[in-house]
Amino acid sequence: DTGVSQDPRHKITKRGQNVTFRCDPISEHNRLYWYRQTLGQGPEFLTYFQNEAQLEKSRLLSDRFSAERPKGSFSTLEIQRTEQGDSAMYLCASSRTRVPYGYTFGSGTRLTVV
Amino acid sequence: GESVGLHLPTLSVQEGDNSIINCAYSNSASDYFIWYKQESGKGPQFIIDIRSNMDKRQGQRVTVLLNKTVKHLSLQIAATQPGDSAVYFCAENMGEYGNKLVFGAGTILRVKS
Repeated sequence: DTGVSQDPRHKITKRGQNVTFRCDPISEHNRLYWYRQTLGQGPEFLTYFQNEAQLEKSRLLSDRFSAERPKGSFSTLEIQRTEQGDSAMYLCASSRTRVPYGYTFGSGTRLTVV
Repeated sequence: GESVGLHLPTLSVQEGDNSIINCAYSNSASDYFIWYKQESGKGPQFIIDIRSNMDKRQGQRVTVLLNKTVKHLSLQIAATQPGDSAVYFCAENMGEYGNKLVFGAGTILRVKS
């Protein structure tokens, strides 16, 4: 297993455009998480899935954000009508539901909104 | 409210010395903690974890200590190497079975050769 994969690594978009990021978790992990990280800060939780069910969403996840995990494997995070404040690193992580959790992060997608 | 914070934003150590990075947490109900290392442009890399029923856990060159009485975590790195230079985060489990982590702001570790 090569770990958690995220695509693309970098995305530059104009304000108002829609963007979509993809995450492929570790295959044996049934939990998948999205976090956002801005410069100098720790990652902030956005949402998580157990299999295909989205079980929790942070208040940070505005109506412009939507995440899916249709078959309980890979996940996508879409941001509609991007704003400059959306510029950040978007991190995906996956884990088991029991010890040892194996909570593992991907390398992230760096979004820049111009 | 619940929060995880770090006492020192930057720590500079000489190569070969031991490093200690501290972290305070405020939620006494948290039952699982993780230390991560993050290098520039990369995602957080798992270092070591500890459950609340333990006081100490050791890995390769790293030790995590948990003091539940004062709600304090520390990460000890033995014989610090230049490759250890990074930002270190502690994270606190805020949900059942590790479904959400709350991170502190991070400590920058600089290793001087």
